[in-house]
Amino acid sequence: QLQLQESGPGLVKPSETLSLTCTVSGGSISSSNYYWGWIRQPPGKGLEWIGSIYYRGSTYYNPSLKSRVAISADTSKNQVSLKLSSATAADTAVYYCARHLLSIVVAVDWLDPWGQGTLVTVSS
Amino acid sequence: QSVLTQPPSASGTPGQRVTISCSGSSSNIGSNTVNWYQQFPGTAPKLLIYSNNQRPSGVPDRFSGSKSGTSASLAISGLRSEDEADYYCAAWDDSLTELFGGGTKLTVL
Repeated sequence: QLQLQESGPGLVKPSETLSLTCTVSGGSISSSNYYWGWIRQPPGKGLEWIGSIYYRGSTYYNPSLKSRVAISADTSKNQVSLKLSSATAADTAVYYCARHLLSIVVAVDWLDPWGQGTLVTVSS
Repeated sequence: QSVLTQPPSASGTPGQRVTISCSGSSSNIGSNTVNWYQQFPGTAPKLLIYSNNQRPSGVPDRFSGSKSGTSASLAISGLRSEDEADYYCAAWDDSLTELFGGGTKLTVL
């Protein structure tokens, strides 16, 4: 059974870089056809996709965050990482990672399963 | 404001049929498949419907999805108290972006 677990600091200072890791177990991030995505949810608000990565390095990013986001994959550790620079209070959210089936050619995609999420607060 | 538009709230009584709408455009719902996610308070979202109308294993057939043009709907029949949750539609956009609706809070009266 595929499981995803987010980890990282729960508190980040404004202007610093928010860094999180998603550890995948029960399967390989090198699986064909699957991307690995990051999604966030500010307290009391809706879901916002941050970006997704294929294990070979191909990435898609939310245009509104693209200038500050970097997602990477480490196949040796079976991990996917997120870095969000110049953090502000607006980046305070629960951050989720999820497996992202994404096939632009046949126009299908979905996110499943999801990790349990980790709350990151940006505050001094 | 989300690109995919959902009503912020919906409600129904036990046993009723409830529908939640999701409106988009030709670059997202109009040309790609729609997925629905269910989220209970304090927990991660769960895939409920994928590829417009497919149910993952374990999802009751009380839940169904449909798509027409640039809109999609989630229907829940035989409403139960345990269906009370937030529901989100989502779709890939041709601008190479994943979009979510703003979410609909379903209340079982």
